[in-house]
Amino acid sequence: ELKVEQNPLFLSMQEEKNYTIYCNYSTTSDRLYWYRQDPGKSLESLFVLLSNGAVKQEGRLMASLDTKARLSTLHITAAVHDLSATYFCAVDTGMNRDDKIIFGKGTRLHILP
Amino acid sequence: GAVVSQHPSWVICKSGTSVKIECRSLDFQATTMFWYRQFPKQSLMLMATSNEGSKATYEQGVEKDKFLINHASLTLSTLTVTSAHPEDSSFYICSGKRGRQETQYFGPGTRLLVL
Repeated sequence: ELKVEQNPLFLSMQEEKNYTIYCNYSTTSDRLYWYRQDPGKSLESLFVLLSNGAVKQEGRLMASLDTKARLSTLHITAAVHDLSATYFCAVDTGMNRDDKIIFGKGTRLHILP
Repeated sequence: GAVVSQHPSWVICKSGTSVKIECRSLDFQATTMFWYRQFPKQSLMLMATSNEGSKATYEQGVEKDKFLINHASLTLSTLTVTSAHPEDSSFYICSGKRGRQETQYFGPGTRLLVL
């Protein structure tokens, strides 16, 4: 059974600092997602990582994937208050055509102005 | 882009009544749709997977007689919460995907409050 673990689960940091959120998963997968969720809202897709060594960047966020280590990271550079949200990683189970995804517990990021 | 809508966006009902939530893919055909439930400060939990024209596949612990899912067309899936109770109060989110190896596109969610 696929398990997805994120850490930390809660992160309070100051603006302009850098930090990394980690996502470990337990079985082989060929697709990993990062999502952002603001309070009371649904999910916003940030990144889809498809292969070992994949790196994607959007603004102050950069995501990477190491399929051998079964690890993805979401790095935040010079954080700003607007990045405060909950961030989820999710891993595709790759099972048949349903391809359901399993979510981590989420990382609540609070950036202090 | 691919857009998924949900209706209603929020609903309040009395205990014992049934509530139907619609999930529509507006600009693509969703061969597979997923229904999730999210309690406050928790992650999304998959309830069921539905493919157009076939019965939904429910996750372990989800009562299929209580949460009725119908995927009648490639653009519409419905979730009916039957005989709702206060513990069913939650944020329900659907998603759709075009096909295998495709990204899921999430709806805006429906907040259900059962009194």
